[in-house]
Amino acid sequence: KQEVTQIPAALSVPEGENLVLNCSFTDSAIYNLQWFRQDPGKGLTSLLLIQSSQREQTSGRLNASLDKSSGRSTLYIAASQPGDSATYLCAVYRGAQKLVFGQGTRLTINP
Amino acid sequence: DAGITQSPRHKVTETGTPVTLRCHQTENHRYMYWYRQDPGHGLRLIHYSYGVKDTDKGEVSDGYSVSRSKTEDFLLTLESATSSQTSVYFCAIRTGPDSPLHFGNGTRLTVT
Repeated sequence: KQEVTQIPAALSVPEGENLVLNCSFTDSAIYNLQWFRQDPGKGLTSLLLIQSSQREQTSGRLNASLDKSSGRSTLYIAASQPGDSATYLCAVYRGAQKLVFGQGTRLTINP
Repeated sequence: DAGITQSPRHKVTETGTPVTLRCHQTENHRYMYWYRQDPGHGLRLIHYSYGVKDTDKGEVSDGYSVSRSKTEDFLLTLESATSSQTSVYFCAIRTGPDSPLHFGNGTRLTVT
């Protein structure tokens, strides 16, 4: 059974810092991996999708990497801003249709 | 905004009553999904659809049914609501198996 873990559960950093969020999974035979952010009371916003054949994806200040052999993905946020405050979730695709979500990391960026 | 509208946004209902939640998309995406989000459990898949009248069960499908008679609409029905179905329900869509998943803003359902 695939399990997805995100540590830490919460993180608070001052504005301007570069930071890394971690996601680990128990079964390396994954299809794809996707990172989302969720603001309070809102749905999930897709940030990056990494296909199983890829090692990383970049979008603006965000960079996500994938290492299937070690069962890890990281989300790097450069020059953090207060607007980056949200809960960040990673999700691993078990096959093409079924995602397994981590519990998320609640990120607070302090001005 | 991924062109997904969920209705209603909030609903309070009594135990034993039927409830239908609607997901409407304007993107003409083939795949549609229903998830529920609960503290301590995260997001869990209820049902999904890979085309009109083609649906399949997710990991927490007991007590739920779905229908998709048109590409743009995916309905989730609780035949007889129970308190354990109090949750936030999210609809999601995507174009194909290698495309990203996009979520709606959710429906908060309370069963009293």
